[in-house]
Amino acid sequence: GQQLNQSPQSMFIQEGEDVSMNCTSSSIFNTWLWYKQDPGEGPVLLIALYKAGELTSNGRLTAQFGITRKDSFLNISASIPSDVGIYFCAGPYNNAGNMLTFGGGTRLMVKP
Amino acid sequence: DVKVTQSSRYLVKRTGEKVFLECVQDMDHENMFWYRQDPGLGLRLIYFSYDVKMKEKGDIPEGYSVSREKKERFSLILESASTNQTSMYLCASRIGNGYTFGSGTRLTVV
Repeated sequence: GQQLNQSPQSMFIQEGEDVSMNCTSSSIFNTWLWYKQDPGEGPVLLIALYKAGELTSNGRLTAQFGITRKDSFLNISASIPSDVGIYFCAGPYNNAGNMLTFGGGTRLMVKP
Repeated sequence: DVKVTQSSRYLVKRTGEKVFLECVQDMDHENMFWYRQDPGLGLRLIYFSYDVKMKEKGDIPEGYSVSREKKERFSLILESASTNQTSMYLCASRIGNGYTFGSGTRLTVV
């Protein structure tokens, strides 16, 4: 499958700080998805993006679909301890769009 | 809400054993997936199934097989477990872009 490069691999921040992470691909994607995995659980969809340039928010989370369609960004404002987890970007890698490829994940740790 | 249930949270198996990981979904989804999660590598697709008895290889199918005899159940089989198959295994089912994941099975092969 296509490779998604996600950075940073991990972040250790103070509660209240803003967080930014991004995902890049060598290929064009028509959909970008952001998932969060809480410790001991499976990933859960946070935000789905369907159009280049699109900016979508979900509470304190904001994600953007890059203009080039080869990247996406996720920002978390005013982090809290329950933001701890692994964040994954994902996109469909076959024409039917029914198979997802995932980035390597960003592990977020929040210090109270 | 769609529920995807993986039968075991933790498994410890010996090298060479045949291992079955079971996954059940309750929403009549056609598409089901098995991923493997390793630190820094994200989730890698092992196999997926788009209907009963139908399957397609993902990125890393070697050493694995799958079975889908009923729509709600998708099984991952390790024919002869090896230590490099120690990992977290995640099952998912899908409709639209809405992948729903199970809680995962952490498999250790000793």
